[in-house]
Amino acid sequence: AQKITQTQPGMFVQEKEAVTLDCTYDTSDQSYGLFWYKQPSSGEMIFLIYQGSYDEQNATEGRYSLNFQKARKSANLVISASQLGDSAMYFCAMREAYSSASKIIFGSGTRLSIRP
Amino acid sequence: DAGVIQSPRHEVTEMGQEVTLRCKPISGHNSLFWYRQTMMRGLELLIYFNNNVPIDDSGMPEDRFSAKMPNASFSTLKIQPSEPRDSAVYFCASRGTGSGNTIYFGEGSWLTVV
Repeated sequence: AQKITQTQPGMFVQEKEAVTLDCTYDTSDQSYGLFWYKQPSSGEMIFLIYQGSYDEQNATEGRYSLNFQKARKSANLVISASQLGDSAMYFCAMREAYSSASKIIFGSGTRLSIRP
Repeated sequence: DAGVIQSPRHEVTEMGQEVTLRCKPISGHNSLFWYRQTMMRGLELLIYFNNNVPIDDSGMPEDRFSAKMPNASFSTLKIQPSEPRDSAVYFCASRGTGSGNTIYFGEGSWLTVV
């Protein structure tokens, strides 16, 4: 069965520093997808970045990059030059099997707080 | 383009009452997911549909919970009878068939059962 683990319940980072949020996963499938979502205090879930298991390069979206290490089954989110607005909950998620009928499960989340 | 639309945004109801949460997915998306978020249990997948057919309802906590998707543009999650422990944020999300199969969330329905 698929499983997502986020071991950092909370993190404090100084503004403008880079931050890495950890995510490990477990799956028996060869084909899968990994996602990161941001949930600010207002509650909405915002898609940040996606990495497919067969993608050879790490995904990047602006200040967000995904450090994908397939052999270690890790998909860490890196935020460069953190900003106060980055304070939020961050969820790692996985879709097992590249199928339109596959489900997506989420980790327990990491609460990131940016200090001015 | 309109995103996933959920209603009601907030609901306070008394224990024992029936609660119906509604969701309109993004037009053209063929998968729909219902999640529940609580402090204790995080974000749980309750049920998901593909092409209006329920694929996996193993996350539905009890028989008090039921979900339907009568057509591609509408889904409901019903709780009957409701209990205080059902208090949570219920998210609906939808997914298309494009690259990545990213799911997009509605703003959530904040349910309080007193």
